[in-house]
Amino acid sequence: GAVVSQHPSWVICKSGTSVKIECRSLDFQATTMFWYRQFPKQSLMLMATSNEGSKATYEQGVEKDKFLINHASLTLSTLTVTSAHPEDSSFYICSAPDTGAQYFGPGTRLTVL
Amino acid sequence: AQTVTQSQPEMSVQEAETVTLSCTYDTSESDYYLFWYKQPPSRQMILVIRQEAYKQQNATENRFSVNFQKAAKSFSLKISDSQLGDAAMYFCAYRDGDNAGNMLTFGGGTRLMVKP
Repeated sequence: GAVVSQHPSWVICKSGTSVKIECRSLDFQATTMFWYRQFPKQSLMLMATSNEGSKATYEQGVEKDKFLINHASLTLSTLTVTSAHPEDSSFYICSAPDTGAQYFGPGTRLTVL
Repeated sequence: AQTVTQSQPEMSVQEAETVTLSCTYDTSESDYYLFWYKQPPSRQMILVIRQEAYKQQNATENRFSVNFQKAAKSFSLKISDSQLGDAAMYFCAYRDGDNAGNMLTFGGGTRLMVKP
């Protein structure tokens, strides 16, 4: 199957700082990528759809000014958590579609102190 | 809106035995796809199996097979000859249409434990 990478895998930051998470499709191109948030022992919650060459589409209740998404190329989407606070601590996962299915990155664990 | 329900929060199976995980969904669409994803402790989501709604034949992938009942909107996953490495969270997912760029709707997940 297709391979999606995420970087970093784990990040710890201080409250008030910004953190950027990268999502890359390694062996295919993706005009669309998805960003999810997952709390412990829960399912994935779609945050936004990243679109190459246009603005991201955010799900209801997701603050677009707090979670900035940029789909810079056909293989790269970034999620920036701005002015992070402890409540933003979570596991963030990206995915990209290829050959009829979505393939997921390994996730990024964000801890905000 | 489409919904996906997994009614079994936890299941356990003896190694080498067979287990079935349940999933039901609700949709008014006629063209859609269904998926089962596995999330082991590493938290990497892994595609296990997919089913196109227009195909009557149930999908199979080695020890994994599905029982797709379109009229009942049911999509269960059967794992045969269970192995310790099958222990994970399993998520059922739904997608409208045949555009892989459409969003997925996930069920709440089932935690599968495999006993040695």
